[in-house]
Amino acid sequence: DAKTTQPPSMDCAEGRAANLPCNHSTISGNEYVYWYRQIHSQGPQYIIHGLKNNETNEMASLIITEDRKSSTLILPHATLRDTAVYYCIVRVFSNSGYALNFGKGTSLLVTP
Amino acid sequence: NAGVTQTPKFQVLKTGQSMTLQCAQDMNHEYMSWYRQDPGMGLRLIHYSVGAGITDQGEVPNGYNVSRSTTEDFPLRLLSAAPSQTSVYFCASSYSTMTLEDTQYFGPGTRLTVL
Repeated sequence: DAKTTQPPSMDCAEGRAANLPCNHSTISGNEYVYWYRQIHSQGPQYIIHGLKNNETNEMASLIITEDRKSSTLILPHATLRDTAVYYCIVRVFSNSGYALNFGKGTSLLVTP
Repeated sequence: NAGVTQTPKFQVLKTGQSMTLQCAQDMNHEYMSWYRQDPGMGLRLIHYSVGAGITDQGEVPNGYNVSRSTTEDFPLRLLSAAPSQTSVYFCASSYSTMTLEDTQYFGPGTRLTVL
């Protein structure tokens, strides 16, 4: 099963770009990388996902390396409301279908 | 669309009491699931359903029952509450979990304390 590794915590100044790294060196060729975030014990919120190509939406950008062994989530202009735990997830097939395996994520603190 | 809704938001039980956590979605999603999140931990899958009438166990199913009589609703029952079930419970849904590319949407959670 593909496993992800993220730093436990990061800081970012308000207005600057927040770059959150994730290693997934055992990812298979057809597995997607998903990013969710959880703001202060609210329900996890979907951010973005990708397979090979870089992706961008209204919330963030996702940069996936050519060998797909790592990725970076970019919040281009972080705000205080972006303070949250960010989860990098590779969907793996299990008895419950393609499950979301949440690790401990990266706790991002955006400071004024 | 209301998305995924959960009731109640907060609940306090005594050991041995039973209760049902409600979850509903209005997106016509096939897949629904229940997770629990303990302090400082990630989410762990309790039970899931791939459609009406079909349910199965996740990672931590003991002490919980589920049923799926309609596409919209997926209630979680605690048969005899124990302090170890004190947690935050999240319901999630997605169009279909049997594809690699599928996004899950989460409810706001139910905070349960068992004394």
